Amino acid sequence: AQSVTQLGSHVSVSEGALVLLRCNYSSSVPPYLFWYVQYPNQGLQLLLKYTTGATLVKGINGFEAEFKKSETSFHLTKPSAHMSDAAEYFCAVSRTGRRALTFGSGTRLQVQP
Amino acid sequence: EAGVAQSPRYKIIEKRQSVAFWCNPISGHATLYWYQQILGQGPKLLIQFQNNGVVDDSQLPKDRFSAERLKGVDSTLKIQPAKLEDSAVYLCASSLDRGGEKLFFGSGTQLSVL
Repeated sequence: AQSVTQLGSHVSVSEGALVLLRCNYSSSVPPYLFWYVQYPNQGLQLLLKYTTGATLVKGINGFEAEFKKSETSFHLTKPSAHMSDAAEYFCAVSRTGRRALTFGSGTRLQVQP
Repeated sequence: EAGVAQSPRYKIIEKRQSVAFWCNPISGHATLYWYQQILGQGPKLLIQFQNNGVVDDSQLPKDRFSAERLKGVDSTLKIQPAKLEDSAVYLCASSLDRGGEKLFFGSGTQLSVL
């Protein structure tokens, strides 16, 4: 079985500061890993994904994440936060791409002016 | 390109009543998913269809929940009878491939059971 743990249900940063959202996964087989973002009253949108290959993955809106097998982590970062980044972020895992996604509990990002 | 369409947007019912949600996926997407998102939690898979066949319904409470995807296009999720703990947002998603590498989500149906 696979699972993801997102550390911190709420994260608050100042505009222009580094964004770091933490995700650790558990999987008995090589995982596929994803970050989705959910803006208020909207559906979830894919930010980025890791399947195979390069462990540093770049996504939309300046976000990136690094797959670290030794740490079973897939943390999401952005060098400089914008007000428009305020949303809920979900880390998700699937098993070799053959099964539906298992989501973490989410982290709400607040950006202070 | 049209996205995943869901209706209704909101629904309020009393416990023990029945309710149905409708989803129309993106044209050409063979795989359709229903997720339940309880407030403060991440989405939880209820059922996954590949065309009109069920791939995974292991987390669907089959004593009260049912879903169908006739003709492999749009889908309906039903709850009968509803319980208070069914209050949640019901999300429909679709993808081109069975692996679900990129899911496209609808805006969801927010259900309140009183």
